[in-house]
Amino acid sequence: GQQLNQSPQSMFIQEGEDVSMNCTSSSIFNTWLWYKQDPGEGPVLLIALYKAGELTSNGRLTAQFGITRKDSFLNISASIPSDVGIYFCAGSSGGSNYKLTFGKGTLLTVNP
Amino acid sequence: ETGVTQSPTHLIKTRGQQVTLRCSSQSGHNTVSWYQQALGQGPQFIFQYYREEENGRGNFPPRFSGLQFPNYSSELDVNALELDDSALYLCASSQGGTSGLREQFFGPGTRLTVL
Repeated sequence: GQQLNQSPQSMFIQEGEDVSMNCTSSSIFNTWLWYKQDPGEGPVLLIALYKAGELTSNGRLTAQFGITRKDSFLNISASIPSDVGIYFCAGSSGGSNYKLTFGKGTLLTVNP
Repeated sequence: ETGVTQSPTHLIKTRGQQVTLRCSSQSGHNTVSWYQQALGQGPQFIFQYYREEENGRGNFPPRFSGLQFPNYSSELDVNALELDDSALYLCASSQGGTSGLREQFFGPGTRLTVL
């Protein structure tokens, strides 16, 4: 099935560092969502974006909806050990069911 | 407010068997979507139910079927299980219709192993 291009695949950083990850699509989306998934659990919604160019923050997390509507970015500032996990981007092109298309995820490891 | 719940947590089946997975949507949500997540991959959309009707389907064969009940809970049925059906099955609930809210909230998933 279709998946978005998410990069990087994995990151290993020191506590306190900032992190950036991004997601691109060959199709236009009108919604971008960012999720975090811990082992053995379901994805947890972090940020939802609805408009091209929109910049939204949730604590130390900031995400942007790309102007072309084909990409999105997630930044984490001042990382802490509990930020460890897999981060997924997901896009929806609308229509009647707003199904989500996911990236393959970015595995984030934070070294205390 | 109760979140999305799924049962069972884990399940082991053999090839050719049938399985039913269950999901209770978050309070106030009328739409349930099902996703399959293979190891190391992002979730893949199976189908969605809105007001007890199938409302979109991904690239999955007909042996994947579902139901939604009047209380908006849902079932995913998989017949003639194959080894490749081994995955984490995720249910997500959302407010459908014209609300414009496209956020989907996921349950913890059911881990299905097919031997």
